[in-house]
Amino acid sequence: GENVEQHPSTLSVQEGDSAVIKCTYSDSASNYFPWYKQELGKRPQLIIDIRSNVGEKKDQRIAVTLNKTAKHFSLHITETQPEDSAVYFCAASLSGGFKTIFGAGTRLFVKA
Amino acid sequence: DGGITQSPKYLFRKEGQNVTLSCEQNLNHDAMYWYRQDPGQGLRLIYYSQIVNDFQKGDIAEGYSVSREKKESFPLTVTSAQKNPTAFYLCASSIGKRGPLGNEQFFGPGTRLTVL
Repeated sequence: GENVEQHPSTLSVQEGDSAVIKCTYSDSASNYFPWYKQELGKRPQLIIDIRSNVGEKKDQRIAVTLNKTAKHFSLHITETQPEDSAVYFCAASLSGGFKTIFGAGTRLFVKA
Repeated sequence: DGGITQSPKYLFRKEGQNVTLSCEQNLNHDAMYWYRQDPGQGLRLIYYSQIVNDFQKGDIAEGYSVSREKKESFPLTVTSAQKNPTAFYLCASSIGKRGPLGNEQFFGPGTRLTVL
C-alpha cells in the first residue's frame, strides 16, 4: 500500500553542521511533499513543502530536493542551531492532496 | 497558535467506554483530518473530510467514527472496538479544494487519551 519511509530515525549533529533527512514514497501519483517540525510538547508545523513540478526549493537555511524518478525527497538544514532540535516529519499527499501519509519522523539533536 | 482547537488536552476513560474528542476550526477551511501519533510511528491518518457531510477512512479507521455536520467541527469518537486507544490524537485542517493541489495542514494542540 501507500507508504513513506524516513531515515534516519535519530540524528545528532554539532551546532553549525548540516543535517540531511531522507524520505522515499511508494505511490508515483503523489504530487505534494511537505515537511513538518514538531518541537517537544507542541503541534507539528509546516516548515517547507515542494510540489512534483519542482526539483528543489530553498528557504533560508532549509532546502528540500525531490527526485520523482527515484521517488525520494530530502530535507537539508545548513548551519544548524540548537533551536533546530525537534522531530521532523516528511509526508506525501495523494488523492488530490487530501490523503497525506507521514513518515515515522526523525529526531534531530543539535549539540551546542 | 489559534485557529484550530482541540479539547480536552488530557482525557482518561475506562476500558469499554466510548469517548468523543472535539476539534473546532475558525480558519474557514474545507478539509479536516484526524491523526493518531504513537512513539516512533509518526502520524497515522484515521479519517479525513474534504467537505461538510463527507468523510473518508484513512489507514487506521477501525474502531473510530467521525461526523462532519458543520464546516467548523470534526469530532472523533473512539469506540470500545478500538483495541489500543491510548495515544496522542491530532486534528488538522487545510483550505481544501479551493487551494492549490496539496496544501498546508494546520494542526491543533492535540488530545492525549489514556484508557485505564
